[in-house]
Amino acid sequence: GENVEQHPSTLSVQEGDSAVIKCTYSDSASNYFPWYKQELGKGPQLIIDIRSNVGEKKDQRIAVTLNKTAKHFSLHITETQPEDSAVYFCAASPPPGYSTLTFGKGTMLLVSP
Amino acid sequence: EPEVTQTPSHQVTQMGQEVILRCVPISNHLYFYWYRQILGQKVEFLVSFYNNEISEKSEIFDDQFSVERPDGSNFTLKIRSTKLEDSAMYFCASSDGRMRSPLHFGNGTRLTVT
Repeated sequence: GENVEQHPSTLSVQEGDSAVIKCTYSDSASNYFPWYKQELGKGPQLIIDIRSNVGEKKDQRIAVTLNKTAKHFSLHITETQPEDSAVYFCAASPPPGYSTLTFGKGTMLLVSP
Repeated sequence: EPEVTQTPSHQVTQMGQEVILRCVPISNHLYFYWYRQILGQKVEFLVSFYNNEISEKSEIFDDQFSVERPDGSNFTLKIRSTKLEDSAMYFCASSDGRMRSPLHFGNGTRLTVT
């Protein structure tokens, strides 16, 4: 089955800096890659996703890149703010499942003012 | 914005007892899921449910687990005889059924088995 590795496990940045979180996946058939943000006491919330027919997607300060050949994808957050502090999870979904996701272990991002 | 709600937020039970975790998915959603997260570990898929039956399940979802949609709004996860290793955060999620439509997660139920 699919295996998703995520690095780093913790990431501390200063407000205004960029943050990059990287994930690799094992199943070359996976074709959907969402990123979730989990704040303390809450469930994961989707922040951005990318499908395998696209190499990059951007939404304001957040971008995701996908390299299918290398089987890795990354989350980029620019101009970080303290409210970006949370745990971020990457995930991968192989067909044919309807959003059956395999998650990475999570990255705790701490943005210091 | 509609959201998935889960109750209770924290459940403490003794080993061997049955527990039922409850979820109210978003009202027009058609696919329902349970995931769990053992402390410090990955969020893991348990089961998906569509049209009143299980559509997929993981190896974790063995005979001690069952799911049910007892009425038009609730979606439940039952653990028949809890073990210490069932202690985890259990997340319910739902989606509207379009291919690759995003999952909307609830805030979770923390299950502690003593």
